[in-house]
Amino acid sequence: KAGVTQTPRYLIKTRGQQVTLSCSPISGHRSVSWYQQTPGQGLQFLFEYFSETQRNKGNFPGRFSGRQFSNSRSEMNVSTLELGDSALYLCASTPPRETGYTGELFFGEGSRLTVL
Amino acid sequence: QKEVEQDPGPLSVPEGAIVSLNCTYSNSAFQYFMWYRQYSRKGPELLMYTYSSGNKEDGRFTAQVDKSSKYISLFIRDSQPSDSATYLCAMYAGTYKYIFGTGTRLKVLA
Repeated sequence: KAGVTQTPRYLIKTRGQQVTLSCSPISGHRSVSWYQQTPGQGLQFLFEYFSETQRNKGNFPGRFSGRQFSNSRSEMNVSTLELGDSALYLCASTPPRETGYTGELFFGEGSRLTVL
Repeated sequence: QKEVEQDPGPLSVPEGAIVSLNCTYSNSAFQYFMWYRQYSRKGPELLMYTYSSGNKEDGRFTAQVDKSSKYISLFIRDSQPSDSATYLCAMYAGTYKYIFGTGTRLKVLA
């Protein structure tokens, strides 16, 4: 079974630009979460989607947005990039509760964004 | 103050040592407690998952939760160089949101 796939793996942008990151969850997983990982702050919750609906959002400015498609694939977008947005952006999917949900997040390898 | 505190390390131990990794948390509403392992340039992977106070063992790994003290631990017995990674504690905060510690970097020396 294929794992969570994130694209692109690495990207460099300049301040003021925008970026779109993509995530394909494990087949059968309908919940997708996004986390930002930085050395000082660790993993911070961005948002979670299920069946194309955002069910929760973290404490990030409105420049950070996301969406989920009917096939459970998800994208996140960051507009007007700032230097502080440089981070590893991790996507995670969660198996459905009826399969014996354990709270496990299955993470992709992340998209490493560098803002210059 | 962060909701979850974790010593960032780095922690260096000789091969075969017992490793103790810890996190403290402030929110008594946290229900599920997890430990993730993250190798360099990889995403985190779940190691251990516990719900209640007490110990849970899986091979060389033991997870311990003390809800009264708001303190969780991960013990690694007979540590191996392949255990060298960053270890993240995580807690389910409800509404599909998880709170992570900043991670402890562990290096096991051969």
